[in-house]
Amino acid sequence: QSVLTQPPSVSGAPGQRVTISCTGSSSNIGAGYDVHWYQQFPGTAPKLLIYANSNRPSGVPDRFSGSKSGTSASLAITGLQAEDEADYYCQSYDSSLSGSNVFGTGTKVTVL
Amino acid sequence: QITLKESGPTLVKPTQTLTLTCTFSGFSLSTSGVGVGWIRQPPGKALECLALIYWNDDNRYSPSLKSRLTFTKDTSKNQVVLTMTNMDPVDTATYYCAHSRQMKYFDYWGQGTLVTVSS
Repeated sequence: QSVLTQPPSVSGAPGQRVTISCTGSSSNIGAGYDVHWYQQFPGTAPKLLIYANSNRPSGVPDRFSGSKSGTSASLAITGLQAEDEADYYCQSYDSSLSGSNVFGTGTKVTVL
Repeated sequence: QITLKESGPTLVKPTQTLTLTCTFSGFSLSTSGVGVGWIRQPPGKALECLALIYWNDDNRYSPSLKSRLTFTKDTSKNQVVLTMTNMDPVDTATYYCAHSRQMKYFDYWGQGTLVTVSS
């Protein structure tokens, strides 16, 4: 029952650009809280991909980019590669109730 | 180098209490802005943040699980312990602990531990 909604799946051919949306509300993204993105391969722990809306940790390729506007955020992958096939999750803070960090519903990226 | 590792039982019975320990290195929970979180992931499902403990002893719990969770830290041992009461088969999941930067995002994760709830 996540408060951040993502499309279940997106797909693209190698070299293409794909985007993943993360839709929230006025108590999380819309309230100005930062959005972070994680990449997860099967059987492994998530890896931080984007922090504070648009910042890449050291070692993350620049084909990954993030943005935020209003109550939504987006992760874009340009020049899609076979190794990008994974699950992606957004995360933010929600001020409703007692306040907590919340994750999105997750998106499976398939490289055709 | 920051590392975290979860430990605890792999199998618990319904109604039992789960106790998980996260042992970490490379940082101190006494440092301002630092936190450790517990995140779980049922098989084939999304991540869920259970609890987060900060350097200043501020604890934040998932509202839906707050009544079942207790989160403590032992700074001298570099450990945090999560206790979840009244376990149910729906609590079957991989449980991760993670380092939290600036109380916002999780930049280092443990490998995770699969906990199965079954009689």
